[in-house]
Amino acid sequence: DIQLTQSPSFLSASVGDRVTITCRASQGISSYVAWYQKKPGKAPKLLIYAASTLHSGVPSRFSGSGSGTEFTLTVSSLQPEDFATYYCQQFDSFGPGTKVDIK
Amino acid sequence: EVQLVESGGGLVQPGRSLRLACTVSGFSFSNYAMSWVRQAPGKGLEWVGFTRSKPYGGTTEYAASVKGRFTVSRDDSKSIAYLHMNSLKTEDTAVYYCTRIRISDSHRVHDYWGQGTLVTVSS
Repeated sequence: DIQLTQSPSFLSASVGDRVTITCRASQGISSYVAWYQKKPGKAPKLLIYAASTLHSGVPSRFSGSGSGTEFTLTVSSLQPEDFATYYCQQFDSFGPGTKVDIK
Repeated sequence: EVQLVESGGGLVQPGRSLRLACTVSGFSFSNYAMSWVRQAPGKGLEWVGFTRSKPYGGTTEYAASVKGRFTVSRDDSKSIAYLHMNSLKTEDTAVYYCTRIRISDSHRVHDYWGQGTLVTVSS
């Protein structure tokens, strides 16, 4: 099974900051990583799939990149509604999550 | 508008069974694979299992943690996906989400999610 790690596990940021989250896979068998946003009490939302393709309706401040075993999710200018936990996913595995909190 | 609505959660004793349902609208249910993902209290997301669409054999796959105890099924005539949970354990306590999943040899993407239903396994 693929193991996914995320860094950092927690980050504190301000509105307007540029934020980058990294996801590393134990095996480089696919470039198809997806990223999800999860808020407490709400359903997760797909943000990006195939490493860099924005899901329908997702703001363009979200972007993804990477290949092989290292992938990144970037928020170019953090908005109040972006404070949440972010998960990467590949095949059946989800990463442990990165919580983005208000500084 | 794509909508997925879960139902059937609740409090159940260890060793007992429960069936969750996911009622879908806004897309052609029979053409899509459907999946279940759960989140235990204070934990991350965990994939549980999925069923492929009938054109792709309607076959199922499961996480090791639930294999042999949980079964995913579907009723295309009603646009409903089910998660049958047997021999429940306290560690199965979680919010269970139904998802529409796109599957290929190179990827799996959960593109739409329901709001979730809470299953609590406790004596």
